Amino acid sequence: GQSLEQPSEVTAVEGAIVQINCTYQTSGFYGLSWYQQHDGGAPTFLSYNGLDGLEETGRFSSFLSRSDSYGYLLLQELQMKDSASYFCAANNTNAGKSTFGDGTTLTVKP
Amino acid sequence: GAGVSQSPSNKVTEKGKDVELRCDPISGHTALYWYRQSLGQGLEFLIYFQGNSAPDKSGLPSDRFSAERTGGSVSTLTIQRTQQEDSAVYLCASSSETGTYNEQFFGPGTRLTVL
Repeated sequence: GQSLEQPSEVTAVEGAIVQINCTYQTSGFYGLSWYQQHDGGAPTFLSYNGLDGLEETGRFSSFLSRSDSYGYLLLQELQMKDSASYFCAANNTNAGKSTFGDGTTLTVKP
Repeated sequence: GAGVSQSPSNKVTEKGKDVELRCDPISGHTALYWYRQSLGQGLEFLIYFQGNSAPDKSGLPSDRFSAERTGGSVSTLTIQRTQQEDSAVYLCASSSETGTYNEQFFGPGTRLTVL
C-alpha cells in the first residue's frame, strides 16, 4: 500500500517563506507531485519531482529525496491568494495511479 | 481549449437510488481518473482508465460502484443503491501521459448528497 504524511495546517504571514513537508511510504514510486486547491475549487497542478533535487517554478519550488522518502514544497514571497490546501501525491509505478496525502491547509495572514 | 467538464455539478438523491456521474476529459487525453473527496479531506483514488480499459480498480469502495469509459473519451461513474456515506465531491481528472510524469487536469467535481 501507499501512505503520505503532511502537516494538516500551516500559518504564515504575507511576504514570508513557508515549507510544507511530505513523507511517503509506497510499494512503488515514480515521483512526487504537488497540487493546490482553493476552497470550493478543483485541484491544480503545481510541481513534479521525478529525480532527487530541487525544481523551481516561479515563487514555488519543490524538493525530493528518494533515499529519505521525503519531499517538500517551498512557497516564497507569500501572498494572500496562496491561502489554500496543498496536496502531495505519489506517482505509482503502476502506470498512472497517484496516491494523495490528506492535504495541508495554508493560511496566509496580513 | 476546453478543460475537463463534469455533470451534474450537484446531485441530491435519496438513499437507495442509483446515480450516474459524467466526466468529459480534455480532448486527446488518454488517461482518466476518478477520485472522491469528503469535506476537508484528501483525494481518495477510485479508478483509473488508460483508453477504455481500467488497469486499476483498486480504489472502488464496494461493488455498488462501477465505471466505464467509451471511445477513449467520456466516462461515467455509477453508484448503485446509494448510501449516506457516499456523500462527497466526486472529482474527475485526465492526463496525456502516464508512468513517469502525469500532470492531472481536474474537473470542477460533482457534489453528491445522499439524503
